Amino acid sequence: EVQLLESGGGLVQPGGSLRLSCGASGFIFSDYAMGWVRQAPGKGLEWVSAIRGSADKTFYADSVKGRFTISRDNSKNTLFLQVDSLRAEDTAVYYCAKVGYCGGGTCRRLENWGQGTQVTVSS
Amino acid sequence: QSVLTQPASVSGSPGQSITISCTGTSTDVGRYNYVSWYQQHPGGAPKLMIYDVTNRPSGVSNRFSGSKSGNTASLTISGLQAEDEADYYCSSYTSSTPLEVFGGGTKLTVL
Repeated sequence: EVQLLESGGGLVQPGGSLRLSCGASGFIFSDYAMGWVRQAPGKGLEWVSAIRGSADKTFYADSVKGRFTISRDNSKNTLFLQVDSLRAEDTAVYYCAKVGYCGGGTCRRLENWGQGTQVTVSS
Repeated sequence: QSVLTQPASVSGSPGQSITISCTGTSTDVGRYNYVSWYQQHPGGAPKLMIYDVTNRPSGVSNRFSGSKSGNTASLTISGLQAEDEADYYCSSYTSSTPLEVFGGGTKLTVL
């Protein structure tokens, strides 16, 4: 059974940083692309970043490009999202997800999701 | 504002069928057969219900089906059950960004 467990969220001041983590189990981690999707309070879903299984390519939404950095440690089955220069509009639940396809410069199909970690940006 | 347009809410009685629409453009829904649907119960994580317009992941009930016509994709739930009450989001591959874009979500109420 695929399991994804996020951690690292919290309350941070505008301009601050956090490092989100996602521990994975139940599948061969290095074989799959992984992604981060966020959901602002009472709002819809936004896919913000993805990384291929070999970490040879990363993808970002325009809204976070230059401020967020996705990475992974395949030896520890762990996905990361470094979030810097945080703004109030980054307040959201951040979900880690296993990606079904990432190739040719695009990613699609979020097959399995974690329960999320809350990030709140406020002074 | 979401790239894909969904109705804010739909409702139906147990046993009935409902359809949720997802309208995009010729650069996303209309151009590619890469539409997915996700179910999210209150306080829970999203769950993939349909991918590539019509395909169901293993374990998803065959009461859920997807289709597409032109720039509009649809999710149909037949034999509505109380447990189907949730938010539903569509998503699509688009030529303008590397990551799938989502609709604004539709709240399904089972009367």
